[in-house]
Amino acid sequence: QVQLQESGPGLVKPSETLSLTCTVSGGSFAYHQWSWIRQPPGKGLEWIGYISYSGNTDYNPSLQSRVTISIDTPKSYFSLMLTSVTAADTATYYCARSIGSSFYYSDVWGKGTTVTVSS
Amino acid sequence: DIQLTQSPSTLSASVGDRVTITCRASEIVYNWLAWFQQKPGKAPKLLIHKASTLQDGVPSTFSGSGSGTEFTLTINSLQPDDFATYYCQQYDSHPHTFGGGTKVEIK
Repeated sequence: QVQLQESGPGLVKPSETLSLTCTVSGGSFAYHQWSWIRQPPGKGLEWIGYISYSGNTDYNPSLQSRVTISIDTPKSYFSLMLTSVTAADTATYYCARSIGSSFYYSDVWGKGTTVTVSS
Repeated sequence: DIQLTQSPSTLSASVGDRVTITCRASEIVYNWLAWFQQKPGKAPKLLIHKASTLQDGVPSTFSGSGSGTEFTLTINSLQPDDFATYYCQQYDSHPHTFGGGTKVEIK
C-alpha cells in the first residue's frame, strides 16, 4: 500500500524559500503524477501543481513564478520549492499521488505538514 | 480558471438522514470531477472520482452523479463518521480547482 510522508521546516521567514519533500513508500513511482496541494488555516484547498515520474510539470498559474516541483525517481521522493514566501503562504501542505490517463485525480495523500511564514 | 461553487456551505443533519451536496462548475468539466471528505486535522480522503465512480473501500452509502457543469454528492443514511467537510475538485483543466467546501454538522 503506497504511503506518502511530507517533511521540511515548519517555520520559514518572509522572503525566504519554502522547501518540502515527499517520500513515497510501498508502491511504484512510475506512471503517476505526484502532486502538491495546500490549505491555509481554516480555509479551502488549493492545487499547487504536479510532476510526472518522467519530470514533466504543471503548475497553478497563480504560483508559477515562484514554484518548482522536482522529482528523484530512483530515491522515490519529490520536492516542492516556493520562493519569496509571505504570510499568505502559511498553510498545511499535502503531497499526493495522482492517477489516471490524461486526467489525473489524487487518490492517496500524505498526512500534511504545517508551514508557518513568520519572522 | 474554472470556478467550482458548492452548496450549501453548511448543512445540519441527523444520523440516518439523506444528504445532498451540489457542485456547480463555471465551465464544462465533462465528468472529470472528484469528491473528497476531510475531517479536522486530517488529509482529504478521496470518495468518488470521474463524477460517479466510488473509490475502493468507500461505503456504498456515498454516491455521485452529474456531468458537464452540475454534480451532486449524496450520502444515504448519514452515519456518525460522516460528519465532516466535503470538497469537490475538477481535474478537467489546469489549474485543478476545488470547491469551497460543505461542512456537514450534527443537527
